[in-house]
Amino acid sequence: NAGVTQTPKFQVLKTGQSMTLQCAQDMNHEYMSWYRQDPGMGLRLIHYSVGAGITDQGEVPNGYNVSRSTTEDFPLRLLSAAPSQTSVYFCASSYDILAGYNEQFFGPGTRLTVL
Amino acid sequence: GQQLNQSPQSMFIQEGEDVSMNCTSSSIFNTWLWYKQDPGEGPVLLIALYKAGELTSNGRLTAQFGITRKDSFLNISASIPSDVGIYFCAGQLGSNDYKLSFGAGTTVTVRA
Repeated sequence: NAGVTQTPKFQVLKTGQSMTLQCAQDMNHEYMSWYRQDPGMGLRLIHYSVGAGITDQGEVPNGYNVSRSTTEDFPLRLLSAAPSQTSVYFCASSYDILAGYNEQFFGPGTRLTVL
Repeated sequence: GQQLNQSPQSMFIQEGEDVSMNCTSSSIFNTWLWYKQDPGEGPVLLIALYKAGELTSNGRLTAQFGITRKDSFLNISASIPSDVGIYFCAGQLGSNDYKLSFGAGTTVTVRA
């Protein structure tokens, strides 16, 4: 198993550009989520999904969109990038967070800079 | 999200030392988790705690779920150089809550 994969690893955008961060997992996990990590702030939840076709907002959803058309993929879209979205983005998945299986497996991250 | 106060913010370790860090909150949590993040990598789960008072070990790591359900601590015994990294606590508020709240992290570095 590849686990959780994220592409790209690094990205530089100009203000106003749009892009999609890709996330895929091959563990048949129902739960997937996106976090951003900023210095001194830990990880903050952006959006999450409890299964294909179901998504919900996390703590900091503004400026981001998600969709979940398959169990495996959970892309994160930045509609109009802003410098405040410069961050490291992590995708995570787990089997079923409600069943006590709280082990979230994290991808390697995407380092995004918005100029 | 719920605020988790993690301390210390950073620490220096010398090989062989025991170190500890803790996480507190004003809210009651159903689950406490401890993660470690190496540079350039995503966090990796170290220990998961599901019951108040639970004490769980993973090798040289020991973590406890506080009796009040508002705190947790992590101990590392006989530290080694590869223990450096950022340690995060995370909590899940309830069994029906999908979200995890993370502390700001404790950065562990080796004392020169």
